[in-house]
Amino acid sequence: AQSVTQPDIHITVSEGASLELRCNYSYGATPYLFWYVQSPGQGLQLLLKYFSGDTLVQGIKGFEAEFKRSQSSFNLRKPSVHWSDAAEYFCAVGNNAGNMLTFGGGTRLMVKP
Amino acid sequence: DTGVSQDPRHKITKRGQNVTFRCDPISEHNRLYWYRQTLGQGPEFLTYFQNEAQLEKSRLLSDRFSAERPKGSFSTLEIQRTEQGDSAMYLCASSPHRDRANTEAFFGQGTRLTVV
Repeated sequence: AQSVTQPDIHITVSEGASLELRCNYSYGATPYLFWYVQSPGQGLQLLLKYFSGDTLVQGIKGFEAEFKRSQSSFNLRKPSVHWSDAAEYFCAVGNNAGNMLTFGGGTRLMVKP
Repeated sequence: DTGVSQDPRHKITKRGQNVTFRCDPISEHNRLYWYRQTLGQGPEFLTYFQNEAQLEKSRLLSDRFSAERPKGSFSTLEIQRTEQGDSAMYLCASSPHRDRANTEAFFGQGTRLTVV
């Protein structure tokens, strides 16, 4: 069975500082990996995805993520955080059939001025 | 097209009542998904349709839950005899059916259900 762990429930960073959100997955085959962001009371917006190829993927809003098969990780990074990045971030793994996502528990990001 | 649309955005109901939610997917998407998200948790898969066929159902989808997608367009999710444990955000998503590696789901804003 596939699973996703996001070890950090809350993270607080100062505006302008760098950010890394951790994600570890468990999946028997080549994983399809996603990062979504959710603002309060809103649905989920896709930030980026990894299917194959280059292990460093670029997304929207200046985010990037690196797939490391040896560590079963897909950490999300941003070099300089903006106050508008405060939200909840979810990592997800998709099954091979492409019909189901398994999400982690999320990391709530707070940004200090 | 403005994306996946869900109605209502909020629903408060008394325990034991039935509720129905509607989801309108992105028009060219033939796959539609329902997820449930409880407070402080990530979304959990409930069910998925390809066109009008319901092809996968989670164990989370008890007998009190039923989903339909007539004509392969909009979908409804009905909960009968609601319980307080049903209080959650119900998220709908849709995706195009291209090759398996390129089906990303687009989510609606969700329907927040509160059972009192």
